[in-house]
Amino acid sequence: DAGVTQSPTHLIKTRGQQVTLRCSPKSGHDTVSWYQQALGQGPQFIFQYYEEEERQRGNFPDRFSGHQFPNYSSELNVNALLLGDSALYLCASSLRTRSYEQYFGPGTRLTVT
Amino acid sequence: AQSVTQLDSQVPVFEEAPVELRCNYSSSVSVYLFWYVQYPNQGLQLLLKYLSGSTLVKGINGFEAEFNKSQTSFHLRKPSVHISDTAEYFCAVSRNDYKLSFGAGTTVTVRA
Repeated sequence: DAGVTQSPTHLIKTRGQQVTLRCSPKSGHDTVSWYQQALGQGPQFIFQYYEEEERQRGNFPDRFSGHQFPNYSSELNVNALLLGDSALYLCASSLRTRSYEQYFGPGTRLTVT
Repeated sequence: AQSVTQLDSQVPVFEEAPVELRCNYSSSVSVYLFWYVQYPNQGLQLLLKYLSGSTLVKGINGFEAEFNKSQTSFHLRKPSVHISDTAEYFCAVSRNDYKLSFGAGTTVTVRA
């Protein structure tokens, strides 16, 4: 049973560029959440997707956007990258009926220079 | 709003000694509670969860936690740690409003 997978593992971008991160949920899960984990901090909720729509959003600017596909996989897009966007980006999957019970992928380490 | 406070940022402990990691939360409604572990350069792994029922919850790798509603706490314990338990531990709460709110984390360093 495959768990949550994310790609790429590491990414280096320049300020002002755009980036797309990808996530495939655990088999049987239909809901995907994204978190940002800055160095030395706990993860912060960005948003959650279910049925291809954003279900809830955390305190992040509109530069952060997402998408969910019919196969439940998801993308996180960040535009106009800032140095402060450097972080580990974690994807978590769950069932809609138990969306609080989330299983995390290994993360994508984004470095903005 | 809900917040999570992990009372210890770093916990050094000797191998085979017991360890307790403290977590307090604030919420005006019932919550679900979780402990996650993060090994270096990896994602989060679910250790255990409290959803309802018995206040003593057992998880993987010999960890357990006790939910105390009156003290709004959910402390994590292990009676005897191993070198391999060296990691970052996160307490998290959810009000079933979709998101998890995490504490700042506790770094556990196990020494021989």
